[in-house]
Amino acid sequence: AQSVSQHNHHVILSEAASLELGCNYSYGGTVNLFWYVQYPGQHLQLLLKYFSGDPLVKGIKGFEAEFIKSKFSFNLRKPSVQWSDTAEYFCAVIHSYGQNFVFGPGTRLSVLP
Amino acid sequence: DAMVIQNPRYQVTQFGKPVTLSCSQTLNHNVMYWYQQKSSQAPKLLFHYYDKDFNNEADTPDNFQSRRPNTSFCFLDIRSPGLGDAAMYLCATTSGLQNTEAFFGQGTRLTVV
Repeated sequence: AQSVSQHNHHVILSEAASLELGCNYSYGGTVNLFWYVQYPGQHLQLLLKYFSGDPLVKGIKGFEAEFIKSKFSFNLRKPSVQWSDTAEYFCAVIHSYGQNFVFGPGTRLSVLP
Repeated sequence: DAMVIQNPRYQVTQFGKPVTLSCSQTLNHNVMYWYQQKSSQAPKLLFHYYDKDFNNEADTPDNFQSRRPNTSFCFLDIRSPGLGDAAMYLCATTSGLQNTEAFFGQGTRLTVV
């Protein structure tokens, strides 16, 4: 069964610091990859997605992610975080023809003003 | 326009009293999912339907059941809710075709008293 791991449980940064959140998946076939954000008390929002093509994808709010197939990774990045980026971030994977949409355990990001 | 609709948004039920949560979709997607999300945790997949085929996750308690009477609707039945079942319940859909993304409902927050 496919699984998703995220490197950090909780990341604390100061405003303007750069961010990289790690995500690795276990499935060996063709996958679609996603990052979701969940602000406190709110529902999941899609930040960005990768289906195929350019492995560097840009999403909303200045986020980007890079798909590295050889490393089974899809790390999320942002050059300069803001206090408003404080949230929980979830990586998710689905086999490109599949049914099983699986989330990673999440990384809590706290940005200090 | 909302494409995945969950009702109700908030549900309070008594300990041990059966409760049903509802999800409907206007996307005509083949796959419908139910997730349980507890505070500060990732959404945990309970089960999903591919058309009428039911796929239960191995660690989903028997207390949780689901019905999908047609393409548009899917129900989550909790036969005897315990205090530990209090959570946000998320419904999602994917097309089941290549390069699909998931569309989420707003969730139903279940409180057990």
